[in-house]
Amino acid sequence: TQLLEQSPQFLSIQEGENLTVYCNSSSVFSSLQWYRQEPGEGPVLLVTVVTGGEVKKLKRLTFQFGDARKDSSLHITAAQPGDTGLYLCAAAFAGGTSYGKLTFGQGTILTVHP
Amino acid sequence: NAGVTQTPKFQVLKTGQSMTLQCAQDMNHEYMSWYRQDPGMGLRLIHYSVGAGITDQGEVPNGYNVSRSTTEDFPLRLLSAAPSQTSVYFCASSYRTEGSPLHFGNGTRLTVT
Repeated sequence: TQLLEQSPQFLSIQEGENLTVYCNSSSVFSSLQWYRQEPGEGPVLLVTVVTGGEVKKLKRLTFQFGDARKDSSLHITAAQPGDTGLYLCAAAFAGGTSYGKLTFGQGTILTVHP
Repeated sequence: NAGVTQTPKFQVLKTGQSMTLQCAQDMNHEYMSWYRQDPGMGLRLIHYSVGAGITDQGEVPNGYNVSRSTTEDFPLRLLSAAPSQTSVYFCASSYRTEGSPLHFGNGTRLTVT
């Protein structure tokens, strides 16, 4: 089983602060996705990164994919209470049937206090 | 569009009972899967299907059965419920292409006493 390490597990910050969530593995990803989940609902896709070194921006969220495609990060600038939720990274590992068969990290519970 | 629909939303079972969690999608996705979500462990893949009539095991398949008789439906059966199966179960679907996003249902919260 290929492991995906996500850190930190918990983040509690004040509105306006910046934060970064990390996702790492010893194996190469063919692609990596970030999801956000709110209580009582299923995860919803934020972004997919495929190319090593790729950077994608979604408003105040910046996603990076490591050059070696073994790590990724999610950076939120000026966090707002509406960013509160569970953030999950999910990887398709190179060499397998990657569509849909994703391995998920443990998740990061983010709480942004007003 | 309804997307991915899971029923029931909540269920309480006694140890040894059996039940079926229902999942249906209306997006004509070839790929469907079942995950369980436990605190601090993210989502773990139970079973998946790449099309009607084809199923395979994921990371934690023991105690669960699946079948895929149609593209739309992918039920998950608990054969003899155990307290270790207390969890939140999510069904997800996607197209069979590289990097396709998973579309999740809203989950079934199962408690086994």
